Amino acid sequence: DAGVIQSPRHEVTEMGQEVTLRCKPISGHNSLFWYRQTMMRGLELLIYFNNNVPIDDSGMPEDRFSAKMPNASFSTLKIQPSEPRDSAVYFCASSPTLISGNTIYFGEGSWLTVV
Amino acid sequence: AQSVSQHNHHVILSEAASLELGCNYSYGGTVNLFWYVQYPGQHLQLLLKYFSGDPLVKGIKGFEAEFIKSKFSFNLRKPSVQWSDTAEYFCAVTVNSGNTPLVFGKGTRLSVIA
Repeated sequence: DAGVIQSPRHEVTEMGQEVTLRCKPISGHNSLFWYRQTMMRGLELLIYFNNNVPIDDSGMPEDRFSAKMPNASFSTLKIQPSEPRDSAVYFCASSPTLISGNTIYFGEGSWLTVV
Repeated sequence: AQSVSQHNHHVILSEAASLELGCNYSYGGTVNLFWYVQYPGQHLQLLLKYFSGDPLVKGIKGFEAEFIKSKFSFNLRKPSVQWSDTAEYFCAVTVNSGNTPLVFGKGTRLSVIA
């Protein structure tokens, strides 16, 4: 079975540019999560969706960050404008439901460098 | 809100040494507990999880973890580490009621040297 698929795997962009990260969750999974990983702050939950609806976006750092899930098989995380401090690995993850205890399955991550 | 503390940032062990990574959580209710592993350059993978029942949970690759409710702890152990265990290990917790996502600790990097 295909796991969580993210693209791009690596992106280097200049400060001020728009960045769009994409995610395809595991088929049949109803919950989708966006995490950011940095050395300083570890793994942070940015936002999560259930049945395509955003449930909690309190982890989104600033208004420059936005996420959408137009359908059950696709989500985007957008940063506009990007800044060097946004450099991190962004993980998308999915889970069958939001019910506590469900295993979360992670994608390979998108390694973002903003110069 | 629940939180997770992993006190060791970086642990260095020789091959065949025993491993114990600490994890403490803060939440007074019933929780589900997880350990994830991230090998260099890879994504996070589930190592083991605790829901209920036997507080000693066995996972893949010889890892185990013990849930001690009185100490709010879920420490990860392995009797004899191998070089291939070099990775970052994340403890995570979710509340066993309602729909709440996993909250992760900051991770512990394990380096196993020959």
